[in-house]
Amino acid sequence: QIVVTQEPSFSVSPGGTATLTCGLSSGSVSANFYPSWYQQTPGQSPRTLIYSTNVRSSGVPHRFSGSILGNKAALTITGAQADDESDYYCVLYMGSGIWVFGGGTKVTVL
Amino acid sequence: EVHLVESGGGLVKPGGSLRLSCAASGFSFNYYNMNWVRQAPGKGLEWVSSISSSSSYIYYADSVRGRFTISRDNAKNSLYLQMNRLRGDDTAVYYCARGDNGDYYWGQGALVTVSS
Repeated sequence: QIVVTQEPSFSVSPGGTATLTCGLSSGSVSANFYPSWYQQTPGQSPRTLIYSTNVRSSGVPHRFSGSILGNKAALTITGAQADDESDYYCVLYMGSGIWVFGGGTKVTVL
Repeated sequence: EVHLVESGGGLVKPGGSLRLSCAASGFSFNYYNMNWVRQAPGKGLEWVSSISSSSSYIYYADSVRGRFTISRDNAKNSLYLQMNRLRGDDTAVYYCARGDNGDYYWGQGALVTVSS
């Protein structure tokens, strides 16, 4: 069974840059997996940040960007702000209509 | 403005059934694929099921296939999830989400608790 991997936690300084990754337990992530990224704060519904690798969802600040770095998908937060402190989830398309989420990354801004 | 409002959650005994609904407004419901995503307490997100705009294509996660049924009524702008043979590990907030290719618009969620 393929597992989607994410860093459990990440710490970034205010104004700094955070790069979160989304990988596979076996194999490499490419644009064919339509990697997407979501932000969720406690008690709230998720919010879509990035879909199809690097397309920013409506209203998402430009400090959030998506890419493929090596064999993983990546979400980069440039100029981190205090309200970026959240859980971040990626999802990958596995084919045949099946999507699999990663376990999430808890981002701390301090 | 886009609105997705889930309803039908609650407490159910193991082995029981529950039907979730998602009422959509503010957009042309019949143009969009729809999805259910769940989140167990304190855990991450899990994709559950997707249905195409005309119901021609339906997909399920292995964890729910054979127990859950997704459906929609485009005339009523509504999405449904019929959940049968519920288990304790089905306890979660269930989110209705519009869209495909990961570009989701999310509802506020409905809590389903499976417990005796």
